[in-house]
Amino acid sequence: ELLLVESGGGLVQPGGSLRLSCEASAFTSRTYWMSWVRQAPGKGLEWVANIKEDGSEKYYVDSVKGRFTISRDNVKNSMYLQMNSLRAEDSAVYYCAISGVYGGQGTLVTVSS
Amino acid sequence: DIVMTQTPLSLSVTPGQPASISCKSSQSLLYSDGKTYLYWYLQKPGQSPQLLIYEVFNRFSGVPDRFSGSGSGTDFTLKISRVEAEDVGVYYCMHSIELPWTFGQGTKVEIK
Repeated sequence: ELLLVESGGGLVQPGGSLRLSCEASAFTSRTYWMSWVRQAPGKGLEWVANIKEDGSEKYYVDSVKGRFTISRDNVKNSMYLQMNSLRAEDSAVYYCAISGVYGGQGTLVTVSS
Repeated sequence: DIVMTQTPLSLSVTPGQPASISCKSSQSLLYSDGKTYLYWYLQKPGQSPQLLIYEVFNRFSGVPDRFSGSGSGTDFTLKISRVEAEDVGVYYCMHSIELPWTFGQGTKVEIK
């Protein structure tokens, strides 16, 4: 069974930074695309970013381009999301997925002064 | 961006009865490789989304056969043949034919 563990969320002031991590266990993620999706409180799902199997291609939703950076470490079966210049509208639960399959509980990011 | 429109936005179903959710995309989800990149997810309360159906009609591993997907081009349907109590939650359709991937607004399914 796929198990993904997201971590790194928390409370941060506007303009601040956070680094989210996603670790895949019981599964080798290196042969699959990985993604971040977020869900603002009481809202629907929003795709945030994708990264190719080898990390050579990265894609972002327009609202985070230039502020967020997705990366991965296939040796550690992990993916990351470096989030800079955070805004109130980035507040959400962030989920990671492997090839469209989710398996974690998400990590909550709250941007507030 | 492709807009995904789901109807209805909420559904109250008697256990054992069928349910159907529609998803329409603002442009065709048929790719040049012949595949149609339309997915269905269920998000149960307090949980992450779980993949039910991929590429229109393929059930993901472990998904009960009471769930089925159909459709083509821009019109898609998720059907539950006999709703069970564990099926409550919010159902989302999503496309991945181009960036950005986008989701429907979600359909909340409740049990009567």
